[in-house]
Amino acid sequence: QVKLLQSGAALVKPGASVKMSCKASGYTFTDYWVSWVKQSHGKSLEWIGEIYPNSGATNFNEKFKGKATLTVDKSTSTAYMELSRLTSEDSAIYYCTRALFGVFAYWGQGTLVTVSS
Amino acid sequence: DIQMTQSPASLSASLGETVTIECRASEDIYNGLAWYQQKPGKSPQLLIYNANSLHTGVPSRFSGSGSGTQYSLKINSLQSEDVASYFCQQYYDYPYTFGAGTKLELK
Repeated sequence: QVKLLQSGAALVKPGASVKMSCKASGYTFTDYWVSWVKQSHGKSLEWIGEIYPNSGATNFNEKFKGKATLTVDKSTSTAYMELSRLTSEDSAIYYCTRALFGVFAYWGQGTLVTVSS
Repeated sequence: DIQMTQSPASLSASLGETVTIECRASEDIYNGLAWYQQKPGKSPQLLIYNANSLHTGVPSRFSGSGSGTQYSLKINSLQSEDVASYFCQQYYDYPYTFGAGTKLELK
């Protein structure tokens, strides 16, 4: 079955960067876009961007351009998202999802990022 | 960006009741709409896509309808396991955007 296993929680200092992972299994990794979604505490969901593992093509929400970098490692079926120049506004749960035409049918368990000195 | 306005923000209903959640898009999204359920401490789960198509394994008491800018999610015969937050999402255009969510509780 389709599984997306995300890396564990991270506590990072303001101004630093964090890189999180999303390991896919149960399907052909290169056939589907991987999207990343942010959920701030108790709030709604924001789409950050997506990457197509087969080609490395990306699409971003303008709000997250310069903040998020998306990459993949096809050899391990793993997608990565790096967030840079972190502030308290970046404290949130980040989900990876397997996307098909923008529909998110499968979600990882989420990675909690806490930005604090 | 397409704005998704979801209502109500919270809802209290009794077991067996029928509930409806609304979502209005700021422009026509041509049925490019999905609904997700999120239980406390869990990831969102897809319920409905293409406005009215039930995702695999989702109980038939969930249904979606609408067109243009107005969409709704209906839950028939509310069950205790339906207590959750519900989000709509448009995928007609980039950036994909979500509604603010509806928190459903039992009365």
